[in-house]
Amino acid sequence: AQTVTQSQPEMSVQEAETVTLSCTYDTSESDYYLFWYKQPPSRQMILVIRQEAYKQQNATENRFSVNFQKAAKSFSLKISDSQLGDAAMYFCAYRSAINAGNMLTFGGGTRLMVKP
Amino acid sequence: NAGVTQTPKFQVLKTGQSMTLQCAQDMNHEYMSWYRQDPGMGLRLIHYSVGAGITDQGEVPNGYNVSRSTTEDFPLRLLLAAPSQTSVYFCASSRTKNQPQHFGDGTRLSIL
Repeated sequence: AQTVTQSQPEMSVQEAETVTLSCTYDTSESDYYLFWYKQPPSRQMILVIRQEAYKQQNATENRFSVNFQKAAKSFSLKISDSQLGDAAMYFCAYRSAINAGNMLTFGGGTRLMVKP
Repeated sequence: NAGVTQTPKFQVLKTGQSMTLQCAQDMNHEYMSWYRQDPGMGLRLIHYSVGAGITDQGEVPNGYNVSRSTTEDFPLRLLLAAPSQTSVYFCASSRTKNQPQHFGDGTRLSIL
């Protein structure tokens, strides 16, 4: 079974600065997908960014980018120019490419606080 | 499109009661899943479905039943509610296996 670990329960960043959230995972599979989800106080689960394991190029979505290190099984999220609206819980998630379903395995989350 | 709709948004039950959490999507998605989120934790998979008539267990299936008689609906049943099932429940769906999931807004369930 796959596991996802987020070692930082809480992180804090000054508005307009950059912050990196860590995620490691354990799997014996070679083909899979990785995701970062944002959960604001409204409780919604919002997809931030996704990465296919077979792609070497790191995914980027505006101010959000990832550092995907497949050999190290590491998948960190970098948020540039942090904004107050970025304050939320962030979850790293794994999905197998070979299982029948599309279910996700989540890490425990990192609470990001943004200071004005 | 309404997306993924979960009802109710909040519910309080007594131990031993039963209830059904509803999940409906209007996007013709084949894949649907139920997760629970306990305080300070990530989501854990309860049950999932890869199409009408097909369901399977996830990581924490005990105490829950599901069915998938239509593509649109994927209800989650608690047969004998227990305090350990106090949680926030999320339903999610996707059109294909490889597309990202759309999540509902969650149901906060408290069992006394």
